[in-house]
Amino acid sequence: DGGITQSPKYLFRKEGQNVTLSCEQNLNHDAMYWYRQDPGQGLRLIYYSQIVNDFQKGDIAEGYSVSREKKESFPLTVTSAQKNPTAFYLCASAFQDRNYGYTFGSGTRLTVV
Amino acid sequence: EDQVTQSPEALRLQEGESSSLNCSYTVSGLRGLFWYRQDPGKGPEFLFTLYSAGEEKEKERLKATLTKKESFLHITAPKPEDSATYLCAVQAGSNYQLIWGAGTKLIIKP
Repeated sequence: DGGITQSPKYLFRKEGQNVTLSCEQNLNHDAMYWYRQDPGQGLRLIYYSQIVNDFQKGDIAEGYSVSREKKESFPLTVTSAQKNPTAFYLCASAFQDRNYGYTFGSGTRLTVV
Repeated sequence: EDQVTQSPEALRLQEGESSSLNCSYTVSGLRGLFWYRQDPGKGPEFLFTLYSAGEEKEKERLKATLTKKESFLHITAPKPEDSATYLCAVQAGSNYQLIWGAGTKLIIKP
């Protein structure tokens, strides 16, 4: 079955440590997105990519980095420069240039310890 | 500036008590309006897409409608399992990215 997979489900980060969240899709979608969700708040866009080897900053990119080396994969690194990384992170994918909406992964909950 | 506003922020209903959630938008050139359901600790799950004013979509106890300024998600005789956060998003203009509302948290008490 086609879908989008995020891993791990839970992740704990120590102060000053970089961590990488995985996002893989087998839907043949062109575009992929990373969102951050804090309690009681809407989705905030971190980064997005519309084609391989290209990506753009979203509204809250500071302290995060991404890569898009393969169409299927869009990993997110939360760097030590992100001062408040504790949140729920969601990855999504979609066909570019079509108004079909997004498919979401099940999310990764990141906690600073 | 393109904007999506959902109301109310939270809604508590008794089981069987019908009501509506609102999603108002100010965008140029609406391409589509999307409703998602999100359970705690999970990713949003797609419910409906509406493309033009007057369009309606139904799924079990849910019915989504669209006007030129807003969309309603009507919930008829809800059950406790309908409790979730409902998210609205729009696609507009030449940009295929979604603009998200903050969501409505729906709680159905047995």
